[in-house]
Amino acid sequence: DQQVKQNSPSLSVQEGRISILNCDYTNSMFDYFLWYKKYPAEGPTFLISISSIKDKNEDGRFTVFLNKSAKHLSLHIVPSQPGDSAVYFCAAGNSGNTPLVFGKGTRLSVIA
Amino acid sequence: DTEVTQTPKHLVMGMTNKKSLKCEQHMGHRAMYWYKQKAKKPPELMFVYSYEKLSINESVPSRFSPECPNSSLLNLHLHALQPEDSALYLCASSQEGFNQPQHFGDGTRLSIL
Repeated sequence: DQQVKQNSPSLSVQEGRISILNCDYTNSMFDYFLWYKKYPAEGPTFLISISSIKDKNEDGRFTVFLNKSAKHLSLHIVPSQPGDSAVYFCAAGNSGNTPLVFGKGTRLSVIA
Repeated sequence: DTEVTQTPKHLVMGMTNKKSLKCEQHMGHRAMYWYKQKAKKPPELMFVYSYEKLSINESVPSRFSPECPNSSLLNLHLHALQPEDSALYLCASSQEGFNQPQHFGDGTRLSIL
């Protein structure tokens, strides 16, 4: 039973345009959400997080939106750059005793 | 440069061998984690250490034995592994609490012959 779902295995975007990566979750106890980026042969790198008391968090080119009623979050990257090409993992947890649960990842390709 | 260092980067071992994976962090984090990741899959949690004590074991077979000698080091001792244990093993650390971002090492690519 997948508690965190990333339904798009891959996404291609033109350089300079917006990339939107989506993530859905089923466990209403999750109250903390993160996005990680992973290049080949490297470990996941933390990008941005959001707690359930917010619906938006922004850090430079990266913005995460949270829609609690829909149990949906998205990562917006604008403008997209070729160096953003990587696998992006969505993860969810809570401030209690529940470790992070990861989605299967979405491979983003930014085309120059 | 990653702030969590894992050694070795690659390891090939036979099913009867004993080896250890090592992880080190100097960020003052009090929680450390071992994950296993197979190709095209998300990381799967194996163990969590909190303040050098094992707090979570996700029903991992006993052929994997974690050890936390001090707050900066985390080891994973391997013995009598199976070919299906071949995977990328990732170490991570974080401030205490699951609502803190985890910082990952680059992993050890393990192949079991």
